[in-house]
Amino acid sequence: EIVLTQSPGTLSLSPGERAALSCRASQSVCSTCLAWYQQKPGQAPRLLIYRTSSRPTGIPDRFSGSGSGTDFTLTISSLEPEDFAVYYCQQYGISPITFGGGTKVEIK
Amino acid sequence: QVQLVQSGAEVKKPGASVKVSCKASGYTLSSYAIHWVRQAPGQRLEWMGWINPGNGDTKYSQKLQGRVTITRDTSASTVYMEVRSLRSEDTAVYYCSRFAVTLDFWGQGTLVTVSS
Repeated sequence: EIVLTQSPGTLSLSPGERAALSCRASQSVCSTCLAWYQQKPGQAPRLLIYRTSSRPTGIPDRFSGSGSGTDFTLTISSLEPEDFAVYYCQQYGISPITFGGGTKVEIK
Repeated sequence: QVQLVQSGAEVKKPGASVKVSCKASGYTLSSYAIHWVRQAPGQRLEWMGWINPGNGDTKYSQKLQGRVTITRDTSASTVYMEVRSLRSEDTAVYYCSRFAVTLDFWGQGTLVTVSS
């Protein structure tokens, strides 16, 4: 199975700052098969990005995704108070679907 | 609007079974696969399996194969996920999720606690 490794484990930033979250895959992932989710305590994951860089309706444009092959990045251009949460990457191109271990974005 | 509503929290003893339901509304259940994902305390999300509600086809993770069964009742717009021979390490929040381009809508989660 494809193992996804996210870094850093925790990112301490202030509102208004830019966040860059990394997701590295153990083998190549198709560009249409990588997604990012946001999860807050006690809530289900929320889809932020699919197909590496596409945003579902209703997701603010401060969230963007990029990457290819084995290296992918989620960027939050300017952190809002509601963005402090845990973020997971996911690949869905090769079964089984797998998720990264998560990056916690916390208030500095 | 699309909604997936899951059944309530369960407490089970080791060796027992649990069956969690996931009721879909706001779209036609048979149009999209439903996947199940679980999250043990402090652990990453773990994919368990999926069902094509249109024809009942299923696929399970190798780790859980033989202990998990996913079924559906299209007349009730509901999908069910059963885990048998529960162990303490099955304690987790269980989520159902619709697969469109990827897992786009999720249920609220069902906490299953396995404890003697």
